[in-house]
Amino acid sequence: GQQLNQSPQSMFIQEGEDVSMNCTSSSIFNTWLWYKQDPGEGPVLLIALYKAGELTSNGRLTAQFGITRKDSFLNISASIPSDVGIYFCAGQLTNFGNEKLTFGTGTRLTIIP
Amino acid sequence: GAVVSQHPSWVICKSGTSVKIECRSLDFQATTMFWYRQFPKQSLMLMATSNEGSKATYEQGVEKDKFLINHASLTLSTLTVTSAHPEDSSFYICSARDMAAYNSPLHFGNGTRLTVT
Repeated sequence: GQQLNQSPQSMFIQEGEDVSMNCTSSSIFNTWLWYKQDPGEGPVLLIALYKAGELTSNGRLTAQFGITRKDSFLNISASIPSDVGIYFCAGQLTNFGNEKLTFGTGTRLTIIP
Repeated sequence: GAVVSQHPSWVICKSGTSVKIECRSLDFQATTMFWYRQFPKQSLMLMATSNEGSKATYEQGVEKDKFLINHASLTLSTLTVTSAHPEDSSFYICSARDMAAYNSPLHFGNGTRLTVT
């Protein structure tokens, strides 16, 4: 199946650092979502973006829906140990209804003590 | 918030047996649920879309006779892995959206780790 290209694939940072990751697609999406997955658990929704150019924050997290509708980025400010995990972007063609998601390849975040 | 519950959280079965995984929406109703499979260190890949009261829609390359899906009510979908083989060992995750909430995003269950010996 189709996947979105997500970068970087992995990140090793120190606590307190800011984090930036992005997701690109060859095709347009009308909804972008960012999820975090901890080991052995399902993904948890972090931020949902529904409009091109939209910039949305959720605490220390900020995400933007690219103006071309083919990309999105997620920033995490002042990282803390509980930010460790795998972050996935996901694209959806519609804003409503039961449209399936296409997931990115994931970014694994590790905090170095 | 919307809660999706999966059961069991892990299961070990012998090769050739069948395993049923349940996905429930606890505080909302969902006409559609999605089943994903995730191999170690990989992303989530959609297997099929489960439709309440009708047949599931399978993604290309997913055998419908091997992965039986039943969506008998607005709060329950089941995935049965029939005649399981070691290569079916994976992390299976379901997701659902609140059909009554406009623009509500998909929420995921906590997954089921299947190990086939």
